[in-house]
Amino acid sequence: DIQMTQSPSSLSASVGDRVTITCRASQSISTYVNWYQQKPGKAPKFLIYGASSLQSGVPSRFSGSGSGTDFTLTISSLQPEDFATYYCQQGFITPLTFGGGTYVEIK
Amino acid sequence: EVQLVESGGGLVQPGGSLRLSCGASGFSFSTYDMNWVRQAPGKGLEWVSSISNSGGTKHYADSVRGRFTISRDNAKNSLYLQMSSLRDDDTAIYYCVRDGFHTGFDFDDWGQGTLVAVSS
Repeated sequence: DIQMTQSPSSLSASVGDRVTITCRASQSISTYVNWYQQKPGKAPKFLIYGASSLQSGVPSRFSGSGSGTDFTLTISSLQPEDFATYYCQQGFITPLTFGGGTYVEIK
Repeated sequence: EVQLVESGGGLVQPGGSLRLSCGASGFSFSTYDMNWVRQAPGKGLEWVSSISNSGGTKHYADSVRGRFTISRDNAKNSLYLQMSSLRDDDTAIYYCVRDGFHTGFDFDDWGQGTLVAVSS
C-alpha cells in the first residue's frame, strides 16, 4: 500500500500568512495527488486534483505542486474561512490512501 | 446541483450487520464510479470501497474485505454498503463519495455522512 505522510500535523498561522503543507508518498505516484479541506462537523471539500489543478470554484489563493513522491499545498494569503484540516490523497492505485491531515489553526 | 444523501446508520452491536444507502441526484449516476469513505471520531479519512459505474468492478480496503459489500442500482440512482461482522473499530461517519474522473481516483462530491456506532 502507498503511505501518504503529511507534515506538519498542525500549524498556527495568522490571517494573511502564506501557509505550506507537505505530503510525501511512499513510492512514486506521478501527479496523482488530490487535496481536500474539512471544517468541523462538515464533509470534506475537494480543492485540488492532479497535484496542481484547481477544482472549479476554489479560490486562486490555493495552489498545489509536486510530482513523484513530494507534493505541496500552498495558501498564499490565509483567510479566516481557511482555518480547517487539510488532507492529501493518492489517486494512483487502490487501496486509495489519505495523509493524516494538517490542522490549520488561528495564531 | 450534485446531491448525495446517506441513510441507514445507527447503533449496532459487535458482530451485527447494517446496510447503508446513498441516494444520488443532480448528475448522471450511471456514468460515475462511486465510493464509500469513513472517518472515525476525531480521526482522519479512510477509503473503504469503490465500485465502477456499471458495478462490474469493486475494490475494498483490507480492513473491510470479506465483511463489507458495495453495490449499486443505477435504475434507482442508489449506492449501498452492506456491512456485516461489525467491530468496534468500524465506528465512524460513512460518506458516500463520487469519483470525479479528473485524474486517477478522486473524490469530488461528498454526502453529509451517516454515523455508524458499533457498541455493546
